Amino acid sequence: GENVGLHLPTLSVQEGDNSIINCAYSNSASDYFIWYKQESGKGPQFIIDIRSNMDKRQGQRVTVLLNKTVKHLSLQIAATQPGDSAVYFCAENTIKTIFGAGTRLFVKA
Amino acid sequence: GAGVSQSPSNKVTEKGKDVELRCDPISGHTALYWYRQSLGQGLEFLIYFQGNSAPDKSGLPSDRFSAERTGGSVSTLTIQRTQQEDSAVYLCASSLRGDNSPLHFGNGTRLTVT
Repeated sequence: GENVGLHLPTLSVQEGDNSIINCAYSNSASDYFIWYKQESGKGPQFIIDIRSNMDKRQGQRVTVLLNKTVKHLSLQIAATQPGDSAVYFCAENTIKTIFGAGTRLFVKA
Repeated sequence: GAGVSQSPSNKVTEKGKDVELRCDPISGHTALYWYRQSLGQGLEFLIYFQGNSAPDKSGLPSDRFSAERTGGSVSTLTIQRTQQEDSAVYLCASSLRGDNSPLHFGNGTRLTVT
C-alpha cells in the first residue's frame, strides 16, 4: 500500500516562528489537495484545501501553496504555537484520496 | 452535528481470531474509506466505497481482510485469522462525495493482536 513502512520526517520550530511543511505528490491528474492535522490519539482533521486551478489559498494563520509544474505542495503556518504540534499530512484526490507520508511538527516553547 | 463514529475504540485479540471493526459515517456522506496506520507512520489506504459503485479494494493487504457497507451507511471491516502484523490503528473516514470534498475521520480503532 501507499506510504507503508515510512518513518515520519520531523520539523522543529521555535514558538512564534513560521513553519513550512512540504509535500510532493505523485499523480499529475490530481485536481484537489488537502492538508490534515493529526494529534495524538485522534483521527486526522481537515485544515485547508486547494483546487488545481489555484496556486495559493489562505486560511486563518495557514497558507497552502501548489506548484503543479513540480507536483509540490506546501503548508505555511504563521506564528507557530505549541498547539500546532502534531503530524501533518498532505493528500491528493482524483477519484479517491491518497495520503502523503506526513511530517511531525514539534514546537519549542 | 455527529461526526464519524468508530467502535470499538480499542480491541485486543489473540492471534488467529477474527475481528470486526465498525464505522458509522456522517449521515448523507456517499463516500467511505478505511485506512490503516501503524505506530508513528502514515496512512495506508485499504478500501473505498462510493455510493452504489463496486468498492475499490486495491489496498487490502491480503484476502484475510474484507469490508462491506450496508445500505450506503454503516461499514464493517473484518479481519480473519488475525496476525501480529495486523496490529495498528484502523481509521474510517467519510466525505460528502468521492471527489473534491474533504474527508472526515473517526478517532480509529486501536487493534492489538497478541
